[in-house]
Amino acid sequence: GAGVSQSPSNKVTEKGKDVELRCDPISGHTALYWYRQSLGQGLEFLIYFQGNSAPDKSGLPSDRFSAERTGGSVSTLTIQRTQQEDSAVYLCASSLGWATGELFFGEGSRLTVL
Amino acid sequence: TQLLEQSPQFLSIQEGENLTVYCNSSSVFSSLQWYRQEPGEGPVLLVTVVTGGEVKKLKRLTFQFGDARKDSSLHITAAQPGDTGLYLCAGDEYSGGGADGLTFGKGTHLIIQP
Repeated sequence: GAGVSQSPSNKVTEKGKDVELRCDPISGHTALYWYRQSLGQGLEFLIYFQGNSAPDKSGLPSDRFSAERTGGSVSTLTIQRTQQEDSAVYLCASSLGWATGELFFGEGSRLTVL
Repeated sequence: TQLLEQSPQFLSIQEGENLTVYCNSSSVFSSLQWYRQEPGEGPVLLVTVVTGGEVKKLKRLTFQFGDARKDSSLHITAAQPGDTGLYLCAGDEYSGGGADGLTFGKGTHLIIQP
């Protein structure tokens, strides 16, 4: 596609349920990033991928969060046993390579945990 | 992780006025980016500054990187309603390849009233 695509755009779930968020980066972009944006806050870095590997997972808030990327393309961010504090917009971005300039963001997935 | 402070957090002014927003850190960045985010969308890159003291202009927007590469400013001349949005600065760590991506400030919410 022309840009970064994220799905779902909106997700409402009950506390304790698992959710999967998907990101389809721009074709040819090797680096992929996940950020979280809470209301009134900036972007909180979660994890990045260079190809299929994630060298640094220290940004993930807890062990309920995991992410994978297969085939150097699509990535999924999984949140297990969701909590109300997980409610936020989850933004995915891609770039040509790690630390090589502009990040191209998707429109985000808005997660609401009731 | 470097900390980026943006000020003001909120700014509401009339169309035609000038304004400046700031991005400050106690740490040095190899480069700094400014993004604008509109509601329901992901951030979009406006400019990247790399050299200390660098000034870049984008139509009515003027970006400056501090001489010591610790701070930056964005000046808008004759603001228009279309300038409304969340302005985010983001810095690359000066570490020759940090593993946790860009560090984002919390942003300045700018509203330009007609």
